Amino acid sequence: GAVVSQHPSRVICKSGTSVKIECRSLDFQATTMFWYRQFPKQSLMLMATSNEGSKATYEQGVEKDKFLINHASLTLSTLTVTSAHPEDSSFYICSATVGAGYYNEQFFGPGTRLTVL
Amino acid sequence: DAKTTQPPSMDCAEGRAANLPCNHSTISGNEYVYWYRQIHSQGPQYIIHGLKNNETNEMASLIITEDRKSSTLILPHATLRDTAVYYCIVRSGLNTDKLIFGTGTRLQVFP
Repeated sequence: GAVVSQHPSRVICKSGTSVKIECRSLDFQATTMFWYRQFPKQSLMLMATSNEGSKATYEQGVEKDKFLINHASLTLSTLTVTSAHPEDSSFYICSATVGAGYYNEQFFGPGTRLTVL
Repeated sequence: DAKTTQPPSMDCAEGRAANLPCNHSTISGNEYVYWYRQIHSQGPQYIIHGLKNNETNEMASLIITEDRKSSTLILPHATLRDTAVYYCIVRSGLNTDKLIFGTGTRLQVFP
């Protein structure tokens, strides 16, 4: 099956710093990638939809200036958490769809655990 | 997107069939039923999806009622590795359509 990787798998940073998380589709080209956030014992919450070469579409309540998403190629999307604060500590997960059209499931990355001190 | 309702938790003995129900009474005609699962601290894993016919793959079977208002995911011989949170999601078949995760069912398989 299609493989999606994320880097890093976990990161610890100081409050006020920025953190970049990479999401890669390893064996396919992904025209659409999604970013989710998951707090402990909660479900996944969609943050934004990212299409290659265009601006991301953010869900209501997600600050686009704080969570910068870049999808510059068909195999790479990045999420940058700017000026991170402890409340941004969470499990960040990306996903990608294979090909175009219908019936294609989303493949998820293994997630990145961010801890902001 | 249509909303789904799932029991918060279920138990199943190892080797037995696990039947996970999902109610999606407001599903529209062009929406599919998708099932994903998430093992602790991992990304979700696709299991199966269907429109109106029953579906089976190497992981599970999906039974959709004739009126499409509910469905059941069946793991025929549950193992300890199947312990996870299972999410039933309704969405259109278009691959650019987002997945909206509900609270899911936490399945605990015990020896």
